[in-house]
Amino acid sequence: QQQVKQSPQSLIVQKGGISIINCAYENTAFDYFPWYQQFPGKGPALLIAIRPDVSEKKEGRFTISFNKSAKQFSLHIMDSQPGDSATYFCAARAPTDSWGKLQFGAGTQVVVTP
Amino acid sequence: DTAVSQTPKYLVTQMGNDKSIKCEQNLGHDTMYWYKQDSKKFLKIMFSYNNKELIINETVPNRFSPKSPDKAHLNLHINSLELGDSAVYFCASSQGRTSEEAEQYFGPGTRLTVT
Repeated sequence: QQQVKQSPQSLIVQKGGISIINCAYENTAFDYFPWYQQFPGKGPALLIAIRPDVSEKKEGRFTISFNKSAKQFSLHIMDSQPGDSATYFCAARAPTDSWGKLQFGAGTQVVVTP
Repeated sequence: DTAVSQTPKYLVTQMGNDKSIKCEQNLGHDTMYWYKQDSKKFLKIMFSYNNKELIINETVPNRFSPKSPDKAHLNLHINSLELGDSAVYFCASSQGRTSEEAEQYFGPGTRLTVT
């Protein structure tokens, strides 16, 4: 069963707008929450990651918001650009999992229109 | 310099055939993975090796057999290919086990089409 639930499945946003992707989890043992970005025909690449002792992490136009009590975290893409059009995956990892085994969400396809 | 490379990039074959996908990483990492991405883009881990030792073996048909000749290489051999094996297979690598060190670097993928 999927341990990380991601929504929405797809998202269309205008250039300059804000893209928001949400993820939820149940396993309170998770201690590392990365987001991966995947362009068509390419492998996923780490975009930004957060630990549960931090409520927000920002890198450029990308921000992760983390709500430990609600067991939810989200990715905000500010001032979305056509170059941000990609599939975004949230993921989670527990320290008890073997060697960095990541539980991935189902992915969100983001399309930024000019 | 390509960090994680896979060959071939595309593989089209008929049902029942046996095929292999090769992966190499030049990052000096000690852990390598195989993932399967289905048509809905869901990423599912299949196997992981650490220093040539199998450490993750998810519920995968026995027709799939990984082999790690050294810690820089991880190959995937698939016997008796079935239509349902059609997917994109990604190799990845990481170093260490703690959260910060466990960033996984993915290869470009191998699109396998079984006809």
